Amino acid sequence: DAGVTQSPTHLIKTRGQQVTLRCSPKSGHDTVSWYQQALGQGPQFIFQYYEEEERQRGNFPDRFSGHQFPNYSSELNVNALLLGDSALYLCASSLGSNEKLFFGSGTQLSVL
Amino acid sequence: GENVGLHLPTLSVQEGDNSIINCAYSNSASDYFIWYKQESGKGPQFIIDIRSNMDKRQGQRVTVLLNKTVKHLSLQIAATQPGDSAVYFCAECTSGTYKYIFGTGTRLKVLA
Repeated sequence: DAGVTQSPTHLIKTRGQQVTLRCSPKSGHDTVSWYQQALGQGPQFIFQYYEEEERQRGNFPDRFSGHQFPNYSSELNVNALLLGDSALYLCASSLGSNEKLFFGSGTQLSVL
Repeated sequence: GENVGLHLPTLSVQEGDNSIINCAYSNSASDYFIWYKQESGKGPQFIIDIRSNMDKRQGQRVTVLLNKTVKHLSLQIAATQPGDSAVYFCAECTSGTYKYIFGTGTRLKVLA
């Protein structure tokens, strides 16, 4: 039973560029959430996708957008990258909301 | 990911002793709580959860205690092992919302 998988594992970009991160949820899960984890901090909620729609959004600018596909996989897009966007981006899946949240290993994004 | 918890509170315990990690949560309306373990280079790993209609829940070598009066959560690890060394986060969620709020984390160091 595959867990949550994310790609790529590491990424280096320069300021102003755009990036797309990908996530496949745990088998049987229909809900995908994205979190940003800065160095030395806990994960911060970006948004959650369910039935291919953004269901709730955290305190992140519109430069952060996402998508969920019919097979429940998801993408996180970040436009006009800033140095402060450097972080570990975590994808988590669950079966519904307010249920156990399972995380992938994350994508380490470095913006130079 | 790498260097998780550079400046986090640290709890050092001797191998074989019991560990208690504490968390003060923020929202009195939160009704679902999870403890996560995060090792360097990995995403958060689910340990144990508890809903607000309970005040104690036990797993294998772990116990979570919930005190809603003072908004406090604790994780007890019995017979701590070197493999328990990691950063531990508590996360809270409220029914009707979809985001988890994470605490700042505690680094657990197990001394041989």
